[in-house]
Amino acid sequence: GNSVTQMEGPVTLSEEAFLTINCTYTATGYPSLFWYVQYPGEGLQLLLKATKADDKGSNKGFEATYRKETTSFHLEKGSVQVSDSAVYFCALSHPQGGSEKLVFGKGTKLTVNP
Amino acid sequence: DAGVIQSPRHEVTEMGQEVTLRCKPISGHDYLFWYRQTMMRGLELLIYFNNNVPIDDSGMPEDRFSAKMPNASFSTLKIQPSEPRDSAVYFCASSLRQGVNGYTFGSGTRLTVV
Repeated sequence: GNSVTQMEGPVTLSEEAFLTINCTYTATGYPSLFWYVQYPGEGLQLLLKATKADDKGSNKGFEATYRKETTSFHLEKGSVQVSDSAVYFCALSHPQGGSEKLVFGKGTKLTVNP
Repeated sequence: DAGVIQSPRHEVTEMGQEVTLRCKPISGHDYLFWYRQTMMRGLELLIYFNNNVPIDDSGMPEDRFSAKMPNASFSTLKIQPSEPRDSAVYFCASSLRQGVNGYTFGSGTRLTVV
C-alpha cells in the first residue's frame, strides 16, 4: 500500500541554519505530495505541495521537489528562524488508487534556538 | 471563509461520561475527516465522509466511538462511555477532492478524560 517515511526527530538547529527534513514515499503511479506544518497548540496547515514529477513546491522560504526517480520529497529551507519551530508532516494522496485518504508520515519536530 | 471550525477547544470529562465533539467544515467541501492525535500513536484517521455519507470507518477504535454527518455543514464525533485512554487531540478536516489540494484542518479539540 501507499506509505510515507520521514526522518525521525527531533531536529534542533540554531537560527539561520540550513534545514533538510527527509521524506520518501511508496506508491504506484504518480501521487500528489504535501508538507504540512503544525505549530504548538494548533491544527495542521498545508505548507506546500507538488502534484507531478519534478514539480517544486515552495512557501515561506521552504521548498521541496518531487523526485520520482528517488521517490523523495525532502523539505528544505536555507535559513531557519525561531518561528519555524513546529512539527512537520510529509503526506501523499493517490486518488487514482481508489482511496481519498491522505497518508501521513509520523512527523518531525523541529526546534530552532536563537 | 472562517475555515474548519471545531468545538469545544478543550473538554475535560470524567470516565464513563458521554462526550460529543463538533465540526463545521468549509462550505462547499465534500469530504470530511476525523483524526486523533496522541504522542504514542501520532495522527490516526478515524473516519471520513463524502457528501455526508461515511466511506471508511476502519480507524474507529471500538463501538464506543460513533460519528455522524447529518448535513453538509455539520458533523459530530461521539464517545460513549469515555475512558482515560481516549484522551487526545481530535482534529476535523475537510477537502474538495483532496487529491490535488490536500485538507484544511480545524484547530482541534483537546479531550482529557479523568
